Amino acid sequence: DAKTTQPTSMDCAEGRAANLPCNHSTISGNEYVYWYRQIHSQGPQYIIHGLKNNETNEMASLIITEDRKSSTLILPHATLRDTAVYYCIVRFPNSGYALNFGKGTSLLVTP
Amino acid sequence: DAGVIQSPRHEVTEMGQEVTLRCKPISGHDYLFWYRQTMMRGLELLIYFNNNVPIDDSGMPEDRFSAKMPNASFSTLKIQPSEPRDSAVYFCASSHSGEPYNEQFFGPGTRLTVL
Repeated sequence: DAKTTQPTSMDCAEGRAANLPCNHSTISGNEYVYWYRQIHSQGPQYIIHGLKNNETNEMASLIITEDRKSSTLILPHATLRDTAVYYCIVRFPNSGYALNFGKGTSLLVTP
Repeated sequence: DAGVIQSPRHEVTEMGQEVTLRCKPISGHDYLFWYRQTMMRGLELLIYFNNNVPIDDSGMPEDRFSAKMPNASFSTLKIQPSEPRDSAVYFCASSHSGEPYNEQFFGPGTRLTVL
């Protein structure tokens, strides 16, 4: 799986958009970008994934650059409950591929 | 669906004792994963099963660790004998191969403390 680089920590004011970047310059053509998050004392939770098109669901939006070497997870209106560690993971979308969690980005949403 | 169920949620034991962690995956899921999380090493895969068969156990730290999946609805992770360095949060996750993108669903974890 391609390696990813994320900032260690970020802050965001409640109600504002949180933009979490991820670099994955060695991504291969068939690898997808996945985002998970882990709220304190809970198991990781799937957020969104994408291949090359921008994606949006009820939780977040995922913007992938045209060269696919980086992406941004956007939480459009961050709330205090979005405070968590966010993991960007690049992997093939086939069964049996375990998630290779890096250090992730610790997002703190402040009142 | 109740999601992935793990028990116990917390376990405190003394060095040298046997510890058994339990996991019930989501019904219908055919992949089951065991992860361990520590401050030093983060989240790391220990072993995973497909249709109850262990596929990759290269992450299992040593022979003191063993995992079984006797049927599609139950798996155990056993540590014998336990050591203080085994203290961590152990997560079980499951996924369904029929889903095209194989989202993994995680349980709440078992926090293990070995004194």
